Amino acid sequence: AQSVTQLDSQVPVFEEAPVELRCNYSSSVSVYLFWYVQYPNQGLQLLLKYLSGSTLVKGINGFEAEFNKSQTSFHLRKPSVHISDTAEYFCAVSETGGGNKLTFGTGTQLKVEL
Amino acid sequence: NAGVTQTPKFQVLKTGQSMTLQCAQDMNHNSMYWYRQDPGMGLRLIYYSASEGTTDKGEVPNGYNVSRLNKREFSLRLESAAPSQTSVYFCATTLFATNEKLFFGSGTQLSVL
Repeated sequence: AQSVTQLDSQVPVFEEAPVELRCNYSSSVSVYLFWYVQYPNQGLQLLLKYLSGSTLVKGINGFEAEFNKSQTSFHLRKPSVHISDTAEYFCAVSETGGGNKLTFGTGTQLKVEL
Repeated sequence: NAGVTQTPKFQVLKTGQSMTLQCAQDMNHNSMYWYRQDPGMGLRLIYYSASEGTTDKGEVPNGYNVSRLNKREFSLRLESAAPSQTSVYFCATTLFATNEKLFFGSGTQLSVL
């Protein structure tokens, strides 16, 4: 069975500073990896996904993530954050070729301050 | 297009009462999901329907039942609500499988007293 660990429950950062949100996964088979964002009182929206190919994935709103198979990680990065990036971010994993289950991490609250 | 529509948006129940959460999508997607979101626990899959006519248990199915009424609609029923079921419930859909983007509804906030 797959699992996802987001070690940081909250990440405070100043506007225009870089940020990295960490995600590690566990699975006995190949996986697909995702980052979703949730703004207050809304459902989740897809930021980016890794299915195969290049390990550096670019998403919406200037975010990118790098798949590292040896470290089983999929960390999310942005070189310069904006106040509007304040939201909760969820890493998620599903196993390739098997079923339709997407497993989410517990989320990281990103708070951008002036 | 409305996308994924959940009703109701808010609900308060007493312990032991029953209710059904409704989810409808107009995107012609095949797969539909019910998640619950609790503080510090992220989203946990309750049930899912890979295609019309099929349903499967997720991570936390106890206390819930589902019905895939047709391709558009996937309902979640609480037969006898318990305080532990106080949560925010999200319906989500995807065209075929989870290597694709999930589209989420705006959620149902349920309180069980």
